[in-house]
Amino acid sequence: AQSVTQLGSHVSVSEGALVLLRCNYSSSVPPYLFWYVQYPNQGLQLLLKYTTGATLVKGINGFEAEFKKSETSFHLTKPSAHMSDAAEYFCAVKKETSGSRLTFGEGTQLTVNP
Amino acid sequence: DAGVIQSPRHEVTEMGQEVTLRCKPISGHDYLFWYRQTMMRGLELLIYFNNNVPIDDSGMPEDRFSAKMPNASFSTLKIQPSEPRDSAVYFCASSFGGRLGNTIYFGEGSWLTVV
Repeated sequence: AQSVTQLGSHVSVSEGALVLLRCNYSSSVPPYLFWYVQYPNQGLQLLLKYTTGATLVKGINGFEAEFKKSETSFHLTKPSAHMSDAAEYFCAVKKETSGSRLTFGEGTQLTVNP
Repeated sequence: DAGVIQSPRHEVTEMGQEVTLRCKPISGHDYLFWYRQTMMRGLELLIYFNNNVPIDDSGMPEDRFSAKMPNASFSTLKIQPSEPRDSAVYFCASSFGGRLGNTIYFGEGSWLTVV
């Protein structure tokens, strides 16, 4: 069963516009949630993560995400897109039943238009 | 501080040849992961180690794939014989400790093309 689902394989925004990348998880117990970014021809870099505590998590490069248990969501947002934000973004989850592994969503390609 | 180091960054090989991908995890990390990224299947875990011991290799696609971790600072992923469908980006990653909240750090990847 899919652990994380990213809605929208491609998202396009204008520079300066709000970025919203959606991620929903399927888990009967609170998971540990991560967002990674992959720039072209590079590896994956952690943007932010939710483990416990505050449900609004701030990450690097002005990104943040909110863990909403009632909606089983962990959407990634940024108030104002920059051209440099163009990349692929992956939501990922760790669960107690899966050990230390990260299970990734399908990824969302973000395009930023001038 | 050096991150996860992978080599080679790019490799083009002919079908049937042996391919060896190498990884040096971050010093002090006790978990090491091998992931594969393809357009069709996305990012999938192949195998992971804890303290040099393979914990879960259920993601290894078939017997042509093997992975070893002879010591805490080195791991290899070998494909023998290679096939065109093995063309992908192979990522090595490492983390410290088994807590689920711990961050997994990724290398830059090895881009493999089998022709």
